[in-house]
Amino acid sequence: GQQLNQSPQSMFIQEGEDVSMNCTSSSIFNTWLWYKQEPGEGPVLLIALYKAGELTSNGRLTAQFGITRKDSFLNISASIPSDVGIYFCAGHINDYKLSFGAGTTVTVRA
Amino acid sequence: NAGVTQTPKFQVLKTGQSMTLQCAQDMNHNSMYWYRQDPGMGLRLIYYSASEGTTDKGEVPNGYNVSRLNKREFSLRLESAAPSQTSVYFCASKGAEAGEKLFFGSGTQLSVL
Repeated sequence: GQQLNQSPQSMFIQEGEDVSMNCTSSSIFNTWLWYKQEPGEGPVLLIALYKAGELTSNGRLTAQFGITRKDSFLNISASIPSDVGIYFCAGHINDYKLSFGAGTTVTVRA
Repeated sequence: NAGVTQTPKFQVLKTGQSMTLQCAQDMNHNSMYWYRQDPGMGLRLIYYSASEGTTDKGEVPNGYNVSRLNKREFSLRLESAAPSQTSVYFCASKGAEAGEKLFFGSGTQLSVL
């Protein structure tokens, strides 16, 4: 079953706002990944994190790999309408298997 | 560069029918995966193939079979479809040269009536 707890499940955000979502696990992961899925499409990788404490940005997105290796967060700054979608965190169980969170659904109010 | 291609995009089956979902990748990736996505449950791994010639069960393998036909292709078969298998199915692939990154197809929406 699910090993990753992702929160919040959903959020409505105002255009221009900064928002944050996070993912926690009872297990240690060696890699944390953040994906975004738009309607009718497969998830697309946003950010990959490989070291505890690592902070990585991709445009208006910033993600951090928690020091304990059991959590990660994703921030979106200055939200725009195209940020709508489902955001998934994922962590590697082993070299081949990736475990996904249940997703955070983001809806932007114009 | 097409990436990961899945067919069909939509399918409706009656309970008990069988079908095969096809997946092909053109990125020369070693590893391929099948996930299902259900509301509120994220993506759950059905089966994966770490390399050509090998397949392994994921979290939810019951009711499915897979075939790694060659390095490019990884198919998922439902022998006797059940309503519980109504879901969106995603194929994905990963290659060593891409680190730990998984690339996904655009999904197959399957309804079993």
